[in-house]
Amino acid sequence: GAVVSQHPSRVICKSGTSVKIECRSLDFQATTMFWYRQFPKQSLMLMATSNEGSKATYEQGVEKDKFLINHASLTLSTLTVTSAHPEDSSFYICSARDRGRARTDTQYFGPGTRLTVL
Amino acid sequence: DQQVKQNSPSLSVQEGRISILNCDYTNSMFDYFLWYKKYPAEGPTFLISISSIKDKNEDGRFTVFLNKSAKHLSLHIVPSQPGDSAVYFCAASARTGANNLFFGTGTRLTVIP
Repeated sequence: GAVVSQHPSRVICKSGTSVKIECRSLDFQATTMFWYRQFPKQSLMLMATSNEGSKATYEQGVEKDKFLINHASLTLSTLTVTSAHPEDSSFYICSARDRGRARTDTQYFGPGTRLTVL
Repeated sequence: DQQVKQNSPSLSVQEGRISILNCDYTNSMFDYFLWYKKYPAEGPTFLISISSIKDKNEDGRFTVFLNKSAKHLSLHIVPSQPGDSAVYFCAASARTGANNLFFGTGTRLTVIP
């Protein structure tokens, strides 16, 4: 149980284009999903928290107009990197909390998406 | 400000021996701690967690110890296996607030056959 999928796993795009990444909880309902970014040899950096049916909460320094997050259902959240630039190249990982668990701190992670912007 | 710290970036252990990964935290409000294992180009996999009301939690070969007074936790893997080679992240959260996870910078464990 507690499987999270992410699609695509790898994407290469040209500078200026937009890229959408999907995050799905496959066997549980997630009231909250998180989007992280990881640079090489660094920790996971939380970008934003996405709650179903409401606006995402962005961490300080993360541009909400550049990283659009939509959490349309209890099993799907999407991250759209708009007008991507080479400095946006990174490993993006989503996670989800299982609403069915008493203590919901545990997050279950997707496999990640490697974005390369040329 | 790094609230969760893993001061050892890497650790090498012989197969069959014990691996001990350490983690320190600064925020006294943290009351729930987790360990994740991560392979390259993959998302972290949840391993084991511990609540602050306990000082030990065991699951198979994995045991997490919590020392609240020292704000320190450790993950013991016994016996270590080559398949355990990965990056291990500790994470912490506080019941008050958003329950967001704060991650350490990770320790790369290499288990030598």
